[in-house]
Amino acid sequence: IAGITQAPTSQILAAGRRMTLRCTQDMRHNAMYWYRQDLGLGLRLIHYSNTAGTTGKGEVPDGYSVSRANTDDFPLTLASAVPSQTSVYFCASSDGAGGPGTDTQYFGPGTRLTVL
Amino acid sequence: GQNIDQPTEMTATEGAIVQINCTYQTSGFNGLFWYQQHAGEAPTFLSYNVLDGLEEKGRFSSFLSRSKGYSYLLLKELQMKDSASYLCASMDSNYQLIWGAGTKLIIKP
Repeated sequence: IAGITQAPTSQILAAGRRMTLRCTQDMRHNAMYWYRQDLGLGLRLIHYSNTAGTTGKGEVPDGYSVSRANTDDFPLTLASAVPSQTSVYFCASSDGAGGPGTDTQYFGPGTRLTVL
Repeated sequence: GQNIDQPTEMTATEGAIVQINCTYQTSGFNGLFWYQQHAGEAPTFLSYNVLDGLEEKGRFSSFLSRSKGYSYLLLKELQMKDSASYLCASMDSNYQLIWGAGTKLIIKP
């Protein structure tokens, strides 16, 4: 089934531990994004990648890193988790090829992360 | 600064019509998106407006006024399954989406 998958679905993590959230898309989209969603706040962009091999910082990048070794995968790493990183994390992708409708973002199912 | 405003919560009756408003202020503008998000699920795309006017798609319509920095989502013939949060997002000059906090829509029988 075409779309975006994320793993794990949920995770409880001790503060100070390293964690990688995985995201894979099979739509051959150029652009990929990582957001966090917290109650009462809009989705906030953590990092993005416009194409394989490039990444950029979003609104809230501190404490997170990403890589984009190929078109399909865009993992998000928390080097040393802190309780304020407790959130729901969504990965998204868009065609990004230019032209009408190519910027529409499609979302994965999310990862619910709790840092204790 | 960049800002998106939409009501926190709205209540409507099954079968009725509801309008969810959104005002935006972003650095540059490359379109206005509406997404639907059911509790515990991912946002799903509803509509995209870049030109002034009304776009109709079945029971859902979206309107944009670029000069006023204003959009609304109109839902007709409300069904219980329409109970969800509706997210407004403006695409800025860097083609990044700036998101509102969402409007939780409660449908009552």
